This record gives sequence, C-alpha cells and structure tokens, in this order.
Amino acid sequence: EVQLVESGGGLVQPGRSLKLSCLVSGFTFSDYGMHWIRQTPGKGLEWVASVSSRDIYIYYADAVKGRFTISRDSAKNTLDLLMTSLRSEDTALYYCARLKTVGIRSYFDYWGRGAMVTVSS
Amino acid sequence: DIQMTQSPASLSASLGETVSIECLASEGISNDLAWYQQKSGKSPQLLISAASRLHDGVPSRFSGSGSGTRYSLKISGMQPEDEADYFCQQSHKFPLTFGSGTKLEIK
Repeated sequence: EVQLVESGGGLVQPGRSLKLSCLVSGFTFSDYGMHWIRQTPGKGLEWVASVSSRDIYIYYADAVKGRFTISRDSAKNTLDLLMTSLRSEDTALYYCARLKTVGIRSYFDYWGRGAMVTVSS
Repeated sequence: DIQMTQSPASLSASLGETVSIECLASEGISNDLAWYQQKSGKSPQLLISAASRLHDGVPSRFSGSGSGTRYSLKISGMQPEDEADYFCQQSHKFPLTFGSGTKLEIK
C-alpha cells in the first residue's frame, strides 16, 4: 500500500527556518517524481517544488525560489523541504504528492495528509 | 505561467442531477489536465487524468472531456458522497498550476 506521511509542521516566526519531511512507503521511491504542494483558503492549491525521478530535475515556484530546497534521501525513503526566510504568506497546509507518469501524461496519484505551517510572530 | 480559470466557484445540485464544472487554460495544454476531488478535511484524490481517463476505482458517473484550452468535468447523477471541492490541474508546463476550485453542495 502506498503511503505518504508528512511531518515537521508547526508555528515559526517570520525569517526563521523549518524543515518538512515526507516518509513514503509501498513503492520504489526513486522511480517517481515527488512534489510539494501547499493549500490555503485564500489562494487554493499552489505547486511549490518538485524533484524528478532519479533526481535529474528540480523545479521551484517563483514564490519560493532561493528560499526553499527540496531533496530526497532514497535510503531513508524521505522527501524533505527545507524552508528558510519564511514569510507570513508561506502559511499553508503542505502536502507531498507522488507524480505518476504514463507515456507523456503526468498526474498526482497519491497525496499525503499534509503538514500545517504557520508563520507568525 | 499557465492560468487555469475554473467555474463556477460554487454549485448546488439535487440528488440525481447532472452537474458540470469547467476549466479554461490561458494557453493550449494538449489534454495534460487532471481533476481532483477533495472532501472536507481530507487531501485531494485523483478522479481523472489526461482530460478524460477515469482513475481506478472512480465511479463511472464521473467523466472528463475537452481539448485545447477548454476542459470539463461532469457528474451524471449527483450522489451524497459527491459533496466536495473539485480542482483542475495542468501538467503541460512548469510551474504546474491548479484551478481555484469548485465547491459542490447538495441542494
């Protein structure tokens, strides 16, 4: 059974750092692209960052570029998101999601339950 | 960035009614479109990929269609368990982008 479980969320002051982790199981981690997606009531779902299968490509949303770092540890089956210089607008529920690619088509077939990040003084 | 304009923002339907939700992409996305359902307090769940391909286990009352820049999700015969938020998402180009969502409620 495929499972994705996020951890590391919490309350953090503006300008500080926080690391989210996503522990995965039930599939060969390195074979899949993995993504972080965040959700807020006001802005809806927003893609944040991704790492492709075999770690060939890494992409970031402009809103987090230079502040967030995505990485994976295939030995530990974990996907991390290091968030630095946090801002109030980074407050959101952060999901990790698996990207399934079939031919030329891709879609998120599994999502975690999410980790809440609140940036506030 | 490709903008996904989703409509309507909210919708109420009677049991058994057929409902449609639309997404308009700011440029052609070649059917690289997925639809997700999100029930209250839960994470999004895949319904449809590649604009019209029903995901495993999704009831056949859900269907997707469209091409180019216009796509739609149809629920043929609203059921109580269909009350949820629905989102479209394009995977044609980075950054991946989502529609703003449609809240579907039972009338």
